[in-house]
Amino acid sequence: AQSVTQLGSHVSVSEGALVLLRCNYSSSVPPYLFWYVQYPNQGLQLLLKYTSAATLVKGINGFEAEFKKSETSFHLTKPSAHMSDAAEYFCAVRRSNFGNEKLTFGTGTRLTIIP
Amino acid sequence: EAGVTQFPSHSVIEKGQTVTLRCDPISGHDNLYWYRRVMGKEIKFLLHFVKESKQDESGMPNNRFLAERTGGTYSTLKVQPAELEDSGVYFCASSQLSGSAYEQYFGPGTRLTVT
Repeated sequence: AQSVTQLGSHVSVSEGALVLLRCNYSSSVPPYLFWYVQYPNQGLQLLLKYTSAATLVKGINGFEAEFKKSETSFHLTKPSAHMSDAAEYFCAVRRSNFGNEKLTFGTGTRLTIIP
Repeated sequence: EAGVTQFPSHSVIEKGQTVTLRCDPISGHDNLYWYRRVMGKEIKFLLHFVKESKQDESGMPNNRFLAERTGGTYSTLKVQPAELEDSGVYFCASSQLSGSAYEQYFGPGTRLTVT
C-alpha cells in the first residue's frame, strides 16, 4: 500500500519569500514521486517528478524538490514566490513496478501569495 | 496539439438520475485514467484503460459506475443512479506509454453536483 501526507492544507507566503510545501510518503516498494499544480479552471499540470535518478529534481517555474529516503519526504521548494504561483499543489506517489500505474495523491495544499 | 478534454465542465443532476461524463485523451495515447476528487479530500484513482481494455478498475466505488472506452479512443463514465456522495470533480488523464515513470496528462475535470 502507498499513501501521501501533505502537511498544511493552506499555506501563505509573501511575494519574494521562500515557498516550502511539505510532502511525506509511504510505499512498500521504491516509489516514483510527483508534484502537480492546479491553477483555477485548469487541469493538473506536472511540475516535476522523481523516478530514481537524481535525488534533487528541478521542475518548471523555478520549483524543485528533494527526495529523502531516510525521511520519506519529497518537499517542494521555490526560493522566491511570485504572484503567479498562487494555485493548489498536489504531491503524488506511484509504485515503480510495472502494471500498477495509478497515482496516489495527497489532499493538496492551497498556496496563497501575499503582495 | 490538443490536450485532454472533458465534457461537460459542470453537471447538476438530481439524486436518482443518470449522468455520462466524456473524456477525449490526447491523440495517440493508449493509456487513459479516471480519477475523482470529493470536496476537501484527496484525488482518488478510479480506473485505468489500455486501449479499450480495463487494466485496473480497483478504484471504482460500486456497480453504479460504468466506464467504457470503445475503439480505444474516447472514454465515458456513466453514473446510474446518481447518489449525493457521487458529487465531486472527475478528472481524466492520458499517457502515451505504459509504465510508472511516464507522465499522465490531466484534463480540466468535470464538476458533478448531485442534489
